[in-house]
Amino acid sequence: RKEVEQDPGPFNVPEGATVAFNCTYSNSASQSFFWYRQDCRKEPKLLMSVYSSGNEDGRFTAQLNRASQYISLLIRDSKLSDSATYLCVVIESTSGTYKYIFGTGTRLKVLA
Amino acid sequence: DTAVSQTPKYLVTQMGNDKSIKCEQNLGHDTMYWYKQDSKKFLKIMFSYNNKELIINETVPNRFSPKSPDKAHLNLHINSLELGDSAVYFCASSQGLGQDSTDTQYFGPGTRLTVL
Repeated sequence: RKEVEQDPGPFNVPEGATVAFNCTYSNSASQSFFWYRQDCRKEPKLLMSVYSSGNEDGRFTAQLNRASQYISLLIRDSKLSDSATYLCVVIESTSGTYKYIFGTGTRLKVLA
Repeated sequence: DTAVSQTPKYLVTQMGNDKSIKCEQNLGHDTMYWYKQDSKKFLKIMFSYNNKELIINETVPNRFSPKSPDKAHLNLHINSLELGDSAVYFCASSQGLGQDSTDTQYFGPGTRLTVL
C-alpha cells in the first residue's frame, strides 16, 4: 500500500461547481498535513495546511479524519484558474527524522 | 527576489556525462531538499540537509552526490547519467525539519533533465 494515496482524476467540473478530493495515508502516527497545488510544468506551491479541527481559506476547506486516516479538500465555486494538480502531503516521523511524503496528485480541470 | 532558485532550468545531455544542478534559497531557512519528479508526476524525496548536515538520504544511486557549501545552497552532482535519470528535479527549503504543521516547504522552479 502506498504511503499517501490520491485518486489521480482528472476531475472535470464546470465553473461554479463544488468539488472534493480525498487523500488517504498509511502511517497513523503522521502529525502534519498539507495541500499543495502544482500547475503544469511549474513547481508545487502550498495551498493550505490541514489542522485537526479543519480549516477554511476562502473557497477552500480542508478536513482531517484521523480515525479513517484521510484528509480532504473541498473547493467551492470553482474557477477556471483552479485547474491544476492538487498534491496531498503528509509528514512522517521515523526515529526522529521527519519526511514529507507527497501523494501522486489529483488533477482538476474546471471547464467554461 | 526569488525565494528558491535553481540553475539550469533545462539540461539536455548524453548518457554517460556528468552534470550538476545548483540551488540557492534566500529565505534564511535551515533545511534544504532535493526531489525527483518522474514522468508519472510522482514527487519523491532524494536528500535533505539541515544546516549543511545530511539528514535524509533515500535509496538513491551513489552516482548522485549532494553538496551543501552553506545552509543557503544545496547542489546536486550526477555522474554517469543514465536514460532513467530523465526527470524534473526540484529543490526545496523549509525553516525547520518538518516537526509541525507550520513548517511548510518552498520549492524552486525545477530543472528539467533530459538524458539522450
